[in-house]
Amino acid sequence: EAQVTQNPRYLITVTGKKLTVTCSQNMNHEYMSWYRQDPGLGLRQIYYSMNVEVTDKGDVPEGYKVSRKEKRNFPLILESPSPNQTSLYFCASSWKVDTSQYFGPGTRLTVL
Amino acid sequence: SQQGEEDPQALSIQEGENATMNCSYKTSINNLQWYRQNSGRGLVHLILIRSNEREKHSGRLRVTLDTSKKSSSLLITASRAADTASYFCAPPRAGGTSYGKLTFGQGTILTVHP
Repeated sequence: EAQVTQNPRYLITVTGKKLTVTCSQNMNHEYMSWYRQDPGLGLRQIYYSMNVEVTDKGDVPEGYKVSRKEKRNFPLILESPSPNQTSLYFCASSWKVDTSQYFGPGTRLTVL
Repeated sequence: SQQGEEDPQALSIQEGENATMNCSYKTSINNLQWYRQNSGRGLVHLILIRSNEREKHSGRLRVTLDTSKKSSSLLITASRAADTASYFCAPPRAGGTSYGKLTFGQGTILTVHP
């Protein structure tokens, strides 16, 4: 089944404790992206990747890192999480940037 | 400012009525996509309209695109309670320094009352 998976689905952590949210797709997509969704602010892009080893900043990259060593995986790293990074995070993938996006189920992160 | 912005922010209708949502964008595009999100879940792709198309249909969905006005509309006919969701447009940039960025707006929250 074609899908985008994210782990964990829910995470409660404390300020400053490094964490990684994994994202994996099984559709051989070139384009992958991370978004955060906050009430009243809609869906904002954090980072995106056009292909392996090619990543770039979205609209809200501060406090986040990504890597794209393999085509299927695109982990989101929070080196030192802060409470303002409490949010609902979505990973998405597609063949190209302008083709239909497939979204993961979301990761609800709470930073205390 | 956002590449894609939806209007209205919220829409409340009765079952059986039609719902129209609008999207405006700022730069040249190759296509425009519409997505639906049920509360707290991942977005689901609904329909894609290319820049050389004026109108596209899919079931009860009708999408129009006016590239001269940089706007699109999504019409849901004969709405059902199950259509209650948030709807987003995504107009990928056709090129330029921000090619690769994909911006969604705040969405239109549609509530369909039984």
